[in-house]
Amino acid sequence: QQPVQSPQAVILREGEDAVINCSSSKALYSVHWYRQKHGEAPIFLMILLKGGEQKGHDKISASFNEKKQQSSLYLTASQLSYSGTYFCGTSAPSGSRLTFGEGTQLTVNP
Amino acid sequence: DTEVTQTPKHLVMGMTNKKSLKCEQHMGHRAMYWYKQKAKKPPELMFVYSYEKLSINESVPSRFSPECPNSSLLNLHLHALQPEDSALYLCASSLTRTGSSYEQYFGPGTRLTVT
Repeated sequence: QQPVQSPQAVILREGEDAVINCSSSKALYSVHWYRQKHGEAPIFLMILLKGGEQKGHDKISASFNEKKQQSSLYLTASQLSYSGTYFCGTSAPSGSRLTFGEGTQLTVNP
Repeated sequence: DTEVTQTPKHLVMGMTNKKSLKCEQHMGHRAMYWYKQKAKKPPELMFVYSYEKLSINESVPSRFSPECPNSSLLNLHLHALQPEDSALYLCASSLTRTGSSYEQYFGPGTRLTVT
């Protein structure tokens, strides 16, 4: 079951904040977040496992609400290097395959 | 070393050709994956190898044939492809595949064009 990401696209000025959401209609075991720049490989950002944890490094953090079956990625004080397409990948408790959402295209302008 | 390498970077092949894509990692990962990615779309899982055995085949047509000769190498053999198979083919690896608790490291991909 493919997770639903929102928004589809967002344009920011450098220094602004953004939130990207990922929700599923099925129970989740884990949520993975990746960023992909045009023509490059997806780069791993973080994993959240069931338990409602929040993780973060630098100015990018994420939360996972197991009850609501959703995760949010928070980007604060955005930098030009944050531009790219953000994908969430989810896995069910019974499975080990990742299913990716359609992606959120983030553009940070000077 | 957290690198996954893929060769070739670009490949153009005719519908009657046979070619192979190669993927290599030296991180000691025991799970390896093939994904297909179309433009402006997310990666779509094709195959998963776990401890050198095929564990997941997402109903991929038989013109795609994966092979895992050892724990560091993953190949994708291509034969009689169709133009709609043109895409970016990504290889990834993770420590294991159990419970998807481990991050996947992606290679740069092979951009395949079928003419």
